[in-house]
Amino acid sequence: DVKVTQSSRYLVKRTGEKVFLECVQDMDHENMFWYRQDPGLGLRLIYFSYDVKMKEKGDIPEGYSVSREKKERFSLILESASTNQTSMYLCASSTHPMGLGEQYFGPGTRLTVT
Amino acid sequence: GDSVTQMEGPVTLSEEAFLTINCTYTATGYPSLFWYVQYPGEGLQLLLKATKADDKGSNKGFEATYRKETTSFHLEKGSVQVSDSAVYFCALSFMNSGYSTLTFGKGTMLLVSP
Repeated sequence: DVKVTQSSRYLVKRTGEKVFLECVQDMDHENMFWYRQDPGLGLRLIYFSYDVKMKEKGDIPEGYSVSREKKERFSLILESASTNQTSMYLCASSTHPMGLGEQYFGPGTRLTVT
Repeated sequence: GDSVTQMEGPVTLSEEAFLTINCTYTATGYPSLFWYVQYPGEGLQLLLKATKADDKGSNKGFEATYRKETTSFHLEKGSVQVSDSAVYFCALSFMNSGYSTLTFGKGTMLLVSP
C-alpha cells in the first residue's frame, strides 16, 4: 500500500513564526503536492513538485514556499505565519510522469495560527 | 480555466436510500474525472475514476459515468450505509502546458442515519 505520512496531525503556532510541514511518501513517486482545505472552498493547490529540487506554483502560493531535497520528502514552509493560514493542509503524491491520474493523500495537518 | 461544480450539502439520507451527488465540469478538451472520499479525520482516498467519454467507474457499490454531452460525472449508489457518511469530492485532471494537476469541487457532505 502507498503510504503518505505528515509530520503532525495538529499544530498550533503564533503569528510571525516560521512553520515547517513535512510530508514523506514511501512509493518512489515522482510527483508531490501540497493543498489546503477550507470549509466551503474545497481543496486548493498551493505548490507541487514533479522532481527533486523542482517546484511549480499552484493556485494559491502566496505566503508559502516549498522544498524538495529528496524524492520521498516534500516540505511546505510558512515563512511568517498569519492567522489567515489557519487551515487543514493535505499532502499528496502520484506516480504518473505527467501528473495525470490518481493522487494518494496523507491524513492532513490541522494548523492553527494564533 | 478548468472548474468543477458539485451540489452543495449536506445530503441527509436514511440507510438503504438511493444516493445521487451531482457533478459537472468545465474544461477545454477531454479531462480524466475522479471521485474522492474523505472519511472523518482522514485524508482523501480515490473512490473511482473514468478517463474517457462513456466510461463508467465503479467501486464499493458506487458508480459514475463520464458524460461528455452533458459534461457531467454524477455519483450514484443504490443503497447507502451509515459507513458511507463522509465528504465526497469530484475532481478532474487535464493536461495543460505540459503538466497536469487535479482540480477539485468544493465537496459534498453525506450523512446517513440508521
